[in-house]
Amino acid sequence: DARVTQTPRDKVTEMGQEVTMRCQPILGHNTVFWYRQTMMQGLELLAYFRNRAPLDDSGMPKDRFSAEMPDATLATLKIQPSEPRDSAVYFCASGLITTGGTEAFFGQGTRLTVV
Amino acid sequence: EDQVTQSPEALRLQEGESSSLNCSYTVSGLRGLFWYRQDPGKGPEFLFTLYSAGEEKEKERLKATLTKKESFLHITAPKPEDSATYLCAVQGREAAGNKLTFGGGTRVLVKP
Repeated sequence: DARVTQTPRDKVTEMGQEVTMRCQPILGHNTVFWYRQTMMQGLELLAYFRNRAPLDDSGMPKDRFSAEMPDATLATLKIQPSEPRDSAVYFCASGLITTGGTEAFFGQGTRLTVV
Repeated sequence: EDQVTQSPEALRLQEGESSSLNCSYTVSGLRGLFWYRQDPGKGPEFLFTLYSAGEEKEKERLKATLTKKESFLHITAPKPEDSATYLCAVQGREAAGNKLTFGGGTRVLVKP
């Protein structure tokens, strides 16, 4: 049963600390998305990659967030330094681009709490 | 810029009481419209993809339909296990990398 795997599931950290979230996309998928979900804003796109190349990261605060895909099996999202307003659930999703739309499959998310 | 609006924000139903959720969208050329279900503490779960006006998809008690401006998710004779947040998303042809733009979701509660 192919699925997107995210680690950690929960993270509590102090303001100013670095946070790294990891995602293992579904094997064979060529697109990876990072979303952030809050009650107020819903699902917001932070960044996405196609064939490991970043296509758009305009949704991320550039001064503190960074996203990378060091290889096809790993995507990372880093926050340095973290702030209380970063508290949210971060989702990774992967999909396979076709001539039609890309069906994206989501992981279980990383719940981040910055105190 | 692609936009998606879902209504109502919340819906309370009695078991067996059918209803519909609305997803209105504006997009520069629709590549696909997607419905997801999200349970508390979990990631969105893919339900359907619709590509063109007039298309319909069904899965158990759920049926999704699409027009040029909106999509409906019909829930027929819902059961308590259908309680969840239902999310709608679009991909426009202008969207590089096929990014998904989501609506705010409709929280559905089905009471026994």
